[in-house]
Amino acid sequence: GQQVMQIPQYQHVQEGEDFTTYCNSSTTLSNIQWYKQRPGGHPVFLIQLVKSGEVKKQKRLTFQFGEAKKNSSLHITATQTTDVGTYFCAGTAGDRGSTLGRLYFGRGTQLTVWP
Amino acid sequence: NAGVTQTPKFRVLKTGQSMTLLCAQDMNHEYMYWYRQDPGMGLRLIHYSVGEGTTAKGEVPDGYNVSRLKKQNFLLGLESAAPSQTSVYFCASSHPGHFLEQYFGPGTRLTVT
Repeated sequence: GQQVMQIPQYQHVQEGEDFTTYCNSSTTLSNIQWYKQRPGGHPVFLIQLVKSGEVKKQKRLTFQFGEAKKNSSLHITATQTTDVGTYFCAGTAGDRGSTLGRLYFGRGTQLTVWP
Repeated sequence: NAGVTQTPKFRVLKTGQSMTLLCAQDMNHEYMYWYRQDPGMGLRLIHYSVGEGTTAKGEVPDGYNVSRLKKQNFLLGLESAAPSQTSVYFCASSHPGHFLEQYFGPGTRLTVT
């Protein structure tokens, strides 16, 4: 069945260092979304990537979608304490998934930032 | 708009007891979902609905039932709670189409003793 793998599971960085989390799917994705969950909170949508090779930026965050639409990454430049949380990728299957609205979530990367 | 709301926020059950979690959304979304979140396991889909009166099984449906009698509400039922169902439950909704951003509720923390 559809699987979305995400690594690493945990990442501890000092404030100012960069951070990257990677997402890989066993099958081609129609699109991929990224969510952030602050400690004690709920997941909040960050961005969606649809096109092969697409790159999008949000201030210090850079999101990429692989050429084969099977992998994605989120890179944060110069982390800040406000970046603390768990980052999830979630993909929509390339076949019927997009019409059914079902997302396949990775297990998330928990980011800790030391001041 | 309140977005997605969930009741209750916290609940403690004894093994074998039953309960219903209520999710409500005021965004007129067609799709609604129930997830559970356990440490290190991410978000796992329990059941989902693509419209009023329709439901479908997700990744971990056993031990749960759902109903979508009204478009704005999605109920998750536990008929006979087990300690393995101790978790944080999130409801989410989205609109059909190419852009499927999911809006999550604040969650319900359930403990089964």
